[in-house]
Amino acid sequence: AIRMTQSPSSFSASTGDRVTITCRASQGISSYLAWYQQTPGKAPKLLIYTASTLQSGVPSRFSGSGSGTDFTLTISCLQSEDFATYYCQQYYSYPHTFGQGTKLEIK
Amino acid sequence: QVHLVESGGGVVQPGRSLTLSCAASGFTFSSYGMHWVRQAPGKGLEWVAFISFDGSNKYYADSVKGRFTISRDNSKNTLFLLVNSLRPEDTAVYYCAKDLNSYAYNDAFDIWGQGTMVTVSS
Repeated sequence: AIRMTQSPSSFSASTGDRVTITCRASQGISSYLAWYQQTPGKAPKLLIYTASTLQSGVPSRFSGSGSGTDFTLTISCLQSEDFATYYCQQYYSYPHTFGQGTKLEIK
Repeated sequence: QVHLVESGGGVVQPGRSLTLSCAASGFTFSSYGMHWVRQAPGKGLEWVAFISFDGSNKYYADSVKGRFTISRDNSKNTLFLLVNSLRPEDTAVYYCAKDLNSYAYNDAFDIWGQGTMVTVSS
């Protein structure tokens, strides 16, 4: 199975900050990479797919980049509603594996 | 409005079985691959199983292979997960999720249900 490793596992930031989360695949996955946001008690929400395509309705402050094995999720100007846990996921092959998550907390 | 609603969770003893259901509405269910994803309390997301739009292809996580069975009834817009030989480590919220694109086999998940909790305990 392809292993997805996110960094950092947790992070403290302030509203207005620019933050970047990285995700590394244990082997090449082309651009078959999605990012999800999850708040406590809620289902995950798709933010980005094919590494850099913004899902409909997602604010433009979210962006994704990368291909192959190294990917990033950037939030350009943190808003209060962005404090959540973020997961990357590869869907290049089965099993479709998730990263361990990055918890973004308020500083 | 596109909706997925899971049901069937509960408290069950180790070794017993359970069937989870996911009722879909607001889209052409028979055109989309579907998945089950679970999340143990306080832990991350774990993909569990996939079934293609027509039910002809199924994939499972190694952790559930041979114990869980994914199926669908396109006439009733419903996805199922039969979970057998339950173990304490199967305790989790189980989500169903829909592929972003129709007739896809490798795709992101654009719609998720609210989840149903399965607790395996004696």
